[in-house]
Amino acid sequence: QVQLQESGPGLVKPSETLSLTCSVSGGSISSYFWSWIRQPPGKGLEWIGYIYYSGTTNYNPSLKGRVSISVDTSKNQFSLKLSSVTAADTAVYYCARETQFGNLLGIDYWGQGTLVTVSS
Amino acid sequence: EIVLTQSPGTLSLSPGERATLSCRASQSVSSSYLAWYQQKPGQAPRLLIYGASSRATGFPDRFSGSGSGTDFTLTISRLEPEDFAVYYCQHFGSPYTFGQGTKLEIK
Repeated sequence: QVQLQESGPGLVKPSETLSLTCSVSGGSISSYFWSWIRQPPGKGLEWIGYIYYSGTTNYNPSLKGRVSISVDTSKNQFSLKLSSVTAADTAVYYCARETQFGNLLGIDYWGQGTLVTVSS
Repeated sequence: EIVLTQSPGTLSLSPGERATLSCRASQSVSSSYLAWYQQKPGQAPRLLIYGASSRATGFPDRFSGSGSGTDFTLTISRLEPEDFAVYYCQHFGSPYTFGQGTKLEIK
């Protein structure tokens, strides 16, 4: 059974860089797209971006170039960096796996989520 | 960017009733790239429907998805107590987008 686990600081100061890592167990990181998705307290879901195991990335333009996602296949991990954070970046951050069911798509595995608060 | 608008925002029903949730896209989308998720308090979302109408593993057949083009529907035929949750639709476009969610609450 594939499991994803987010790790990283729960508190980040304004203007600094948020850094999170997602560790994948029970399966290989190869041959899948891996996403970061966030959810501000009491609000809906926002896709941040994805990385393919080969390193190809796609980011949400709403984050205006502040985001970077990388992958380490040797460690079965992928990571998120979000720079110049403000209070608006306070959210539960999820890592997740996208699966292709034939030609259909779904995000079928999610981490439990980690709350990151931006505050001085 | 495809904007997904879900309605209603909150749906109050009783166990045993039928629930119909709507997701409308700002322009026509491929059904292959439309998914639904269920989220319960304090939990991560869970894939419920992919490809607009294919049910994910672990969900009973009282859940069904339908639709095409700009209008998609999630139907729960007879509500069970465990079905009360927030439901999101999602499109795999560029960028990926989510609807704002429909909260299904017990009446």
